[in-house]
Amino acid sequence: GENVEQHPSTLSVQEGDSAVIKCTYSDSASNYFPWYKQELGKRPQLIIDIRSNVGEKKDQRIAVTLNKTAKHFSLHITETQPEDSAVYFCAASMNGNKLVFGAGTILRVKS
Amino acid sequence: DSGVTQTPKHLITATGQRVTLRCSPRSGDLSVYWYQQSLDQGLQFLIQYYNGEERAKGNILERFSAQQFPDLHSELNLSSLELGDSALYFCASSGTANEQFFGPGTRLTVL
Repeated sequence: GENVEQHPSTLSVQEGDSAVIKCTYSDSASNYFPWYKQELGKRPQLIIDIRSNVGEKKDQRIAVTLNKTAKHFSLHITETQPEDSAVYFCAASMNGNKLVFGAGTILRVKS
Repeated sequence: DSGVTQTPKHLITATGQRVTLRCSPRSGDLSVYWYQQSLDQGLQFLIQYYNGEERAKGNILERFSAQQFPDLHSELNLSSLELGDSALYFCASSGTANEQFFGPGTRLTVL
């Protein structure tokens, strides 16, 4: 079955710096890759996603890149702010079926 | 607010008991997914329903069962509860696109 690995497990950055989180997946049939942000005790919130027919997608300070050949995708957050501090999860899915999640990255933005 | 609702928010019960968690999907969404989030296992897919029919099963224990009703709400039944079942249980719903939107979760504590 699908397996998603996520790195790093924790990431501390200074406010205003960029943060990058990387994920790799194992099943080449996966074609949908969302990213979720989860604050303590809250629901995972979809922040951006990318499909396998696209290499990069941007939404204001957040961007995601996908390399299908290497089977990895990354989340880039620029100009980080304290409110970006949270746990970020990547996930992979085939055709809108179950999401297989990475283990999560704790992002701390220091002001 | 994702539009997905879950009740109850918190549930405290004893080992050996049975509980029912309820989820109402976003208006128009036919798919409902259940996920379990624990500290040691991360976010794990349990089961998916589509328009009343079971579509996919993940790491769901035999003590757990679910169903989706004609009005599309779903219930997750957990029986013979063990201490290790303590976790956050999320449901998510999706429509014709692949995006899954999560409800606020039910925090289950088994004492």
